Amino acid sequence: QLQLQESGPGLVKPSETLSLTCTVSGDSISSSNYYWGWVRQPPGRGLEWVGSIHSSGNTYYNPSLKSRVTISVDTSKNQFSLKLSSVTAADTAVYYCARQPYGKYDYWGQGTLVTVSS
Amino acid sequence: EVVLTQSPATLSVSPGGRATLSCRASQSVSNNLAWYQQKPGQAPRLLIYGASTRATSIPARFSGSGSGTHFTLTISSLQSEDFSVYYCQQSNSWPYTFGQGTKLEIK
Repeated sequence: QLQLQESGPGLVKPSETLSLTCTVSGDSISSSNYYWGWVRQPPGRGLEWVGSIHSSGNTYYNPSLKSRVTISVDTSKNQFSLKLSSVTAADTAVYYCARQPYGKYDYWGQGTLVTVSS
Repeated sequence: EVVLTQSPATLSVSPGGRATLSCRASQSVSNNLAWYQQKPGQAPRLLIYGASTRATSIPARFSGSGSGTHFTLTISSLQSEDFSVYYCQQSNSWPYTFGQGTKLEIK
């Protein structure tokens, strides 16, 4: 059974860097030949794609966030990670990680709320 | 960037009725369109991909159609658990984008 689990601080101060990790079990990132992505959802609002990384390390980022986002993969731990720098209150959201075979998101983590506040 | 516009924003339908949700793309996305259902406090769930293929374990009352720029999600014989928010998402070109969502509520 494929499972994804987000982890990281639930509170980040303005101007600092948000760091989250997604741990995958039940599938191997390195052998999947899939993209793995991050999607966020501000409270009471819709879904926003943040970025994706392929098992090979190739990445795509949302242009509106591109200058602040870095996604990396650690195949030895079967994890991929998100870093978002210079955060503001507008980055407060539930952050989901998801498997992304052929463009669709078929398995999702439960999501983790990250609040940006001093 | 492909902009997806969903309509209506809110749809009121009686249990047992039929719901038709629309998703329009600002440019052709071929059939690279998926639909998701999201209930409060939960992650989205994949319903439809490739515009018309039901995901694993999705009931047959959910169906998708369309190609190019106009897509439809139809839910027939609405059950109580179907009242939630629905999103479309395109994967034809990066950046992949979502529609703003349609809330399906009980009439």
